[in-house]
Amino acid sequence: QVQLQQSGPGLVKPSQTLSLTCAISGDSVSSKTAAWNWIRQSPSRGLEWLGRTYYRSKWYKDYAESVKSRITINPDTSKNQFSLQLNSVTPEDTAVYYCARAVGPLGMDVWGQGTTVTVSS
Amino acid sequence: DIQMTQSPSSLSASVGDRVTITCRASQSISTYLNWYQLKPGKAPKLLIYAASSLQSGVPSRFSGSGSGTDFSLTISNLQPEDFATYYCQQSYSIPPVTFGQGTRLEIK
Repeated sequence: QVQLQQSGPGLVKPSQTLSLTCAISGDSVSSKTAAWNWIRQSPSRGLEWLGRTYYRSKWYKDYAESVKSRITINPDTSKNQFSLQLNSVTPEDTAVYYCARAVGPLGMDVWGQGTTVTVSS
Repeated sequence: DIQMTQSPSSLSASVGDRVTITCRASQSISTYLNWYQLKPGKAPKLLIYAASSLQSGVPSRFSGSGSGTDFSLTISNLQPEDFATYYCQQSYSIPPVTFGQGTRLEIK
């Protein structure tokens, strides 16, 4: 059974960097059939996809235009996990952040438990 | 980018009712449409993939239909645990992944 376990701080100061990690069990971050995504949810924006990383003989990364200048998603094969870094956060980045696995076009079938991140001084 | 538009944005219904939520894509996406259920404090749950395929473990009162640009999610015989927010998502043209704005299903 595939599980995703998120970790990271729930409070980040404005202008600082939000950092979250998603540890994978039951699958591999280097899987050639999965993509590893970060999504956030807020009352004002609903579900918003932030980006993904996946391996198909080499590593690929895709990011949403809305955060492209501030985001980095990195795989860590030694720990079988992937991470999210979002720089220069503002209160607008306050949301519940989720990691999720997608297998082809068949939806995101496994999700992390969610991390509520508040951006506040 | 493909835009996804859901309607209604909110819906009130009673236990035992049948409800339908619709999702429209800004261009044809064949059947590359997925539905999710969100509840406060819980991870999102994939209900339907490829427009009409029921994800393993999801009750059969949930069903999906549609192709091209118009899709629907129907919940028959609403149960108390079904009151949640529902989102559609297209997987035809990625990146970016795009979701509808959500439909909040409330108890009448």
